Amino acid sequence: EAGVAQSPRYKIIEKRQSVAFWCNPISGHATLYWYQQILGQGPKLLIQFQNNGVVDDSQLPKDRFSAERLKGVDSTLKIQPAKLEDSAVYLCASRRGGGYTFGSGTRLTVV
Amino acid sequence: AQTVTQSQPEMSVQEAETVTLSCTYDTSESDYYLFWYKQPPSRQMILVIRQEAYKQQNATENRFSVNFQKAAKSFSLKISDSQLGDAAMYFCASTSNSNSGYALNFGKGTSLLVTP
Repeated sequence: EAGVAQSPRYKIIEKRQSVAFWCNPISGHATLYWYQQILGQGPKLLIQFQNNGVVDDSQLPKDRFSAERLKGVDSTLKIQPAKLEDSAVYLCASRRGGGYTFGSGTRLTVV
Repeated sequence: AQTVTQSQPEMSVQEAETVTLSCTYDTSESDYYLFWYKQPPSRQMILVIRQEAYKQQNATENRFSVNFQKAAKSFSLKISDSQLGDAAMYFCASTSNSNSGYALNFGKGTSLLVTP
């Protein structure tokens, strides 16, 4: 089975610019998660989808971050405008039952 | 909020030796999963081992085993016969409750160095 696909792999932007990340989960996985992993820390949940509905976005900085999962399949995470502290790896994961699969992440550098 | 604590930022082990990584967690759930993930520089989170809280028997996967102490909320990972390829960041994680969609809560990680 194909894994969780994420793109781009790397992104460098200036502060106040906007950026978008894309995730395609494993086929049939209804639950999708976006995590932010700052260097030297563990991943922190940003938002979770069940099909195309949001289950938990309590830790998403909604003044600058947005996410959608149209048609309950792939998802995009957007940051606008970016801040220096948004520099991190953004990981996408999908789940079916007790099995979680992660993508390789997007490393964002904000300069 | 549920928390996962890894008290060892770095650990070192010699090739072929055994090392134990520590993890404690805090949950009010009666049923949950615990995980150890390995993250090499490629950033891919690779599942090492999974433990279901209702199972008393400790999970084992080849050279990897856990010591699950439910009452103490402790979940340590033992790596036997360490290999150079085991060098990576290791993260302990627990599932959140159903209201939070069983999202994973991660510790801060332990960096494992394997020396020849």
